[in-house]
Amino acid sequence: QVQLQESGPGLVKPSETLSLTCTVSGGSVSSASYYWSWIRQPPGKGLEWIGYISYSGSTNYNPSLKSRVTVSVDTSKNQFSLNLSSVTAADTAVYYCARVPGDWGQGTLVTVSS
Amino acid sequence: DVVMTQTPLSSPVTLGQPASISCRSSQSLVHSDGNTYLSWLQQRPGQPPRLLIYKISNRFSGVPDRFSGSGAGTDFTLKISRVEAEDVGVYYCMQATQSPTFGQGTKLEIK
Repeated sequence: QVQLQESGPGLVKPSETLSLTCTVSGGSVSSASYYWSWIRQPPGKGLEWIGYISYSGSTNYNPSLKSRVTVSVDTSKNQFSLNLSSVTAADTAVYYCARVPGDWGQGTLVTVSS
Repeated sequence: DVVMTQTPLSSPVTLGQPASISCRSSQSLVHSDGNTYLSWLQQRPGQPPRLLIYKISNRFSGVPDRFSGSGAGTDFTLKISRVEAEDVGVYYCMQATQSPTFGQGTKLEIK
């Protein structure tokens, strides 16, 4: 079973860039047929897809976030990352990385506050 | 965007009885490759989401066979044949035929 673990700062200031990394074990980010994804969940609310990177390196982003999002992959470290720029309090959420379809990480709470 | 609409939003169920959740998409979810990328996720209280079903009806590794998925086109259903206490949580449908979107979630609780 593939395991995913998110890491990064739990507190980010408004207007700064949120950066998270997902470390994958038990599988390879170079595996075909999967989309290495970021999804978020504001406190008490539903799920929102942020974006993904495929095994080939192609990316796809939520149109509502596209201007602020970058997802990248580091195959040497078996990791993929999320950068979300110009954050506001509305970006406060639990951020999950996931192999779609498949396993999800435990999630990490990121709070945007000064 | 493909809008996913789940019904009901809340489902009180008696232990051992069946449960059913519906999901309707605003557009057909049949991909140009012939597949339909409709999944079901379970989120237990305080836990991350967990994949139950992918491509309409395929159970993910480790998922009990009391969970089943069906449907086609724009209408899909998740069924639990006999609800157990550990099934309490919120269930989401998710489409990945186009840029992924989720349903609002259905809260399953025990009567």
